[in-house]
Amino acid sequence: AQSVTQLDSQVPVFEEAPVELRCNYSSSVSVYLFWYVQYPNQGLQLLLKYLSGSTLVKGINGFEAEFNKSQTSFHLRKPSVHISDTAEYFCAVKAAGNKLTFGGGTRVLVKP
Amino acid sequence: EADIYQTPRYLVIGTGKKITLECSQTMGHDKMYWYQQDPGMELHLIHYSYGVNSTEKGDLSSESTVSRIRTEHFPLTLESARPSHTSQYLCASSEYGQFYGYTFGSGTRLTVV
Repeated sequence: AQSVTQLDSQVPVFEEAPVELRCNYSSSVSVYLFWYVQYPNQGLQLLLKYLSGSTLVKGINGFEAEFNKSQTSFHLRKPSVHISDTAEYFCAVKAAGNKLTFGGGTRVLVKP
Repeated sequence: EADIYQTPRYLVIGTGKKITLECSQTMGHDKMYWYQQDPGMELHLIHYSYGVNSTEKGDLSSESTVSRIRTEHFPLTLESARPSHTSQYLCASSEYGQFYGYTFGSGTRLTVV
């Protein structure tokens, strides 16, 4: 079985400041990792994914994430946020069985 | 353009009514999913399908039912809506294989009064 823990339910951040959203997972087998963003009243949109290779993954809208196998983490970062980054962010893991398991989500509120 | 569509986007309906939430995708994906998302944000898988005539219940028990008669279509039905069914319902699809994430529709926000 696999599980995903997003350590922060809400992250307030000022515009142009950096932000990091923390994600830890547990799985007994190799996994593939994903970050999704959900804007208000929308579905989820894929930000980035880690399948293999370089542990630093770059995604859309200036986001990046780093896979750390020893710490079973996949934290999402952006060096400078905009007001438009206000949204909910979901970390997800996929292993054997082929279904995504989502974390509880982190709400990012960017303040001017 | 390949995409996944959900209708309606918003629905307000009275208790006891039968409703069907539509979900269609044009990507030819075999796998489709329904999630329920309450205001607390967490996503709960309520149904999934790995192909035509294949449907399974998800992790969260739901009074809704689904069907998969065509690859592109995966409707969700509530025979008798109740206020406890008020929620957002998200449909998603994916290709076969572990490399692929899910593509989500825009969701249906259901309010039962």
